[in-house]
Amino acid sequence: DTAVSQTPKYLVTQMGNDKSIKCEQNLGHDTMYWYKQDSKKFLKIMFSYNNKELIINETVPNRFSPKSPDKAHLNLHINSLELGDSAVYFCASSQVPGQGLTGELFFGEGSRLTVL
Amino acid sequence: SQELEQSPQSLIVQEGKNLTINCTSSKTLYGLYWYKQKYGEGLIFLMMLQKGGEEKSHEKITAKLDEKKQQSSLHITASQPSHAGIYLCGADGTGTASKLTFGTGTRLQVTL
Repeated sequence: DTAVSQTPKYLVTQMGNDKSIKCEQNLGHDTMYWYKQDSKKFLKIMFSYNNKELIINETVPNRFSPKSPDKAHLNLHINSLELGDSAVYFCASSQVPGQGLTGELFFGEGSRLTVL
Repeated sequence: SQELEQSPQSLIVQEGKNLTINCTSSKTLYGLYWYKQKYGEGLIFLMMLQKGGEEKSHEKITAKLDEKKQQSSLHITASQPSHAGIYLCGADGTGTASKLTFGTGTRLQVTL
């Protein structure tokens, strides 16, 4: 069973379009994240949600809107796509460290977005 | 904000050789996580270090966190082609692991 699953895995679209990436985790974790990995493989946090509430928003353009319908899902919607949005987007989940838990992130396999 | 610098940026080693990757933080770390990313795939958790001077091993990979908790090293003994990938260190600057900041990554290639 896949712990953190993202769809779609690949997405090719034109500039100006709107697209969504979906993420689901079956680990029972309270916290979910979106990370962006650019062409240089630099991984940067975008958003973090805890129990459906936004807790981290790292100065991401307003065109990016995360939505968490429940704590097992965190979707990412992007409006008016730009060339610079091309990247691999990773969803992740975790549980707060403690009681034997390390707090490590469990990552999805990534969604490669290409904007033409 | 916390910044992590990894060195080297890339590394090519012959199979069977040992290697070390370093991760230096601009601030004291509450926790340091090591991940491996295979090309075109997601990140796989390797290990987490929390205490100054702590050392952990998993198969042929050993990671250490220095006493001051600002630097970590990842050492691979007798490298194999399966070790190839991108190694990323992630820093917990809050103590709650709610926001991991990742290093610049080290790309490892292992030649036959």
